[in-house]
Amino acid sequence: KAGVTQTPRYLIKTRGQQVTLSCSPISGHRSVSWYQQTPGQGLQFLFEYFSETQRNKGNFPGRFSGRQFSNSRSEMNVSTLELGDSALYLCASSIGTLNTGELFFGEGSRLTVL
Amino acid sequence: AQSVTQLGSHVSVSEGALVLLRCNYSSSVPPYLFWYVQYPNQGLQLLLKYTSAATLVKGINGFEAEFKKSETSFHLTKPSAHMSDAAEYFCAVSEGSDTNAGKSTFGDGTTLTVKP
Repeated sequence: KAGVTQTPRYLIKTRGQQVTLSCSPISGHRSVSWYQQTPGQGLQFLFEYFSETQRNKGNFPGRFSGRQFSNSRSEMNVSTLELGDSALYLCASSIGTLNTGELFFGEGSRLTVL
Repeated sequence: AQSVTQLGSHVSVSEGALVLLRCNYSSSVPPYLFWYVQYPNQGLQLLLKYTSAATLVKGINGFEAEFKKSETSFHLTKPSAHMSDAAEYFCAVSEGSDTNAGKSTFGDGTTLTVKP
């Protein structure tokens, strides 16, 4: 069974640009969550999607957005990039119902903002 | 609200020695608890999970953890450290409900160094 796939793995952007990251969950998983990981703030929850609907949202500004498609693939977008957005963005999938909280993570997309 | 505290951001042990990584949690509902491991430039991998069954949980690579409700703790142990155990370890708590699916709260992580 293929794991969670995130693309791109690495990317460099400049301040003010926008970026779109993609995540393909494990087959059969309907929930996709996004986390931001930085040395200073650790792992912080961005949002979670289930059946194309945002079900939970963390405390991030509106520049951070996401969506989920009918095949459960998800994208997140960050607009008007700031230096502080440099981070490892992790996607995690789970079954989404009868949930035990177990998450299956991708390898992440490392974003550097210059 | 939930929170996780990992005591000790860095732990160093000798190869073959006991590994003990500490985790205390706070949760307003019966928690689901997890330990994840992260190797450099990789995502997180589940080591083990507690979901209200046995309080002593065994995971992969010889790790285990014990849920102690009275102490609100979920410490991770391994009897004998191996060089390949060097990584960052995260304790996490989740409500486990569908409405909060995918929303785990993570500790700050503990970097484990294993000396030869």
